[in-house]
Amino acid sequence: DARVTQTPRHKVTEMGQEVTMRCQPILGHNTVFWYRQTMMQGLELLAYFRNRAPLDDSGMPKDRFSAEMPDATLATLKIQPSEPRDSAVYFCASGLHRGDYGYTFGSGTRLTVV
Amino acid sequence: QKEVEQNSGPLSVPEGAIASLNCTYSDRGSQSFFWYRQYSGKSPELIMSIYSNGDKEDGRFTAQLNKASQYVSLLIRDSQPSDSATYLCAVNPRGGKLIFGQGTELSVKP
Repeated sequence: DARVTQTPRHKVTEMGQEVTMRCQPILGHNTVFWYRQTMMQGLELLAYFRNRAPLDDSGMPKDRFSAEMPDATLATLKIQPSEPRDSAVYFCASGLHRGDYGYTFGSGTRLTVV
Repeated sequence: QKEVEQNSGPLSVPEGAIASLNCTYSDRGSQSFFWYRQYSGKSPELIMSIYSNGDKEDGRFTAQLNKASQYVSLLIRDSQPSDSATYLCAVNPRGGKLIFGQGTELSVKP
């Protein structure tokens, strides 16, 4: 059963520390999205990639967030330095261009910054 | 205007009734439309996708798309308590993003 794998599932860190979240998209999917979900804001699009190229990262705070896709099997989202307001669930989703067959979400990384 | 808008709810329906969830979008050039279900503490799960005007049925679920009105809906027939969740409308506007509405919380009462 194909799935999107995210690690870690949970992360508690102190303010100012670097946080790295990882996503393994479904093999063959060429589009990867990063979202942040909070009760107040819902699902916010942070960045997305097609064929490993970043297409839009306008949703990310540029000074502290960065997203990369070093190869087709790995996408990363880094926060440096982390702040308490970054506490949220971060989801990765993958699919094909134009959403043929839909997009599949990973289980998410629950980040708590204290 | 938000790119994708949904009634926030909560929407409460009795077991066995039809639940109707609505969504509007701003980009007239949008190509693909999706409904996701999210249980508390879980990730969104795709339940319906629709790409052309009209109705698409899958079991108890029917998605309806009207591109002229920029409107997508989801009907759940014979609602069950297990359908209680947040339903998220998502749209692929021009450019290829995937944008979500705020979600509608559905509660099905036994």
